Amino acid sequence: DTGVSQDPRHKITKRGQNVTFRCDPISEHNRLYWYRQTLGQGPEFLTYFQNEAQLEKSRLLSDRFSAERPKGSFSTLEIQRTEQGDSAMYLCASQGERVTGELFFGEGSRLTVL
Amino acid sequence: QKEVEQNSGPLSVPEGAIASLNCTYSDRGSQSFFWYRQYSGKSPELIMSIYSNGDKEDGRFTAQLNKASQYVSLLIRDSQPSDSATYLCAVDNYGGSQGNLIFGKGTKLSVKP
Repeated sequence: DTGVSQDPRHKITKRGQNVTFRCDPISEHNRLYWYRQTLGQGPEFLTYFQNEAQLEKSRLLSDRFSAERPKGSFSTLEIQRTEQGDSAMYLCASQGERVTGELFFGEGSRLTVL
Repeated sequence: QKEVEQNSGPLSVPEGAIASLNCTYSDRGSQSFFWYRQYSGKSPELIMSIYSNGDKEDGRFTAQLNKASQYVSLLIRDSQPSDSATYLCAVDNYGGSQGNLIFGKGTKLSVKP
């Protein structure tokens, strides 16, 4: 068990560019979540996958955001046409099937949009 | 709008004292309650979960839940400087998936040696 890993850890981009983040969950976990955290705030739920199916999306997930989890393993979160308001820490978390609500977070991908 | 409210702090306690952290939530349908610890620049890590009214103890940590008052608390006994962190209260977003949680803004705890 190597934990949840995220890549890249830091990304600086210019407004209008596209960025993609990757998350590799704990191998036996079939549930995967994306959260966003800005400075001084708690994490905010973005989306949820069970295996390869995207079952929930927050209204925070505008049409510029897309997430995938092909084959139910790793997941990607893409932000198109980035805006300064997208600057945040993007956290991935995974959850085992038998454990209620206990999320294991990765170290996050910090996005800075200039 | 479902909300979880916490005092932002900072809460400062001397080493060895009891730190008391509080949280209220708005949705009476919530069934699962969590305390996460987040060190500066790090990701949240779960320290306590509680699902029924009353107290739950784990080592130096005690979580307390009162659903009638929509109130959750965390007590840290014999506080250590290593406990200095932001403590996030989270509750399940009733009607959502199990990991769809609503987090408070967190309370920053500082334990002075």
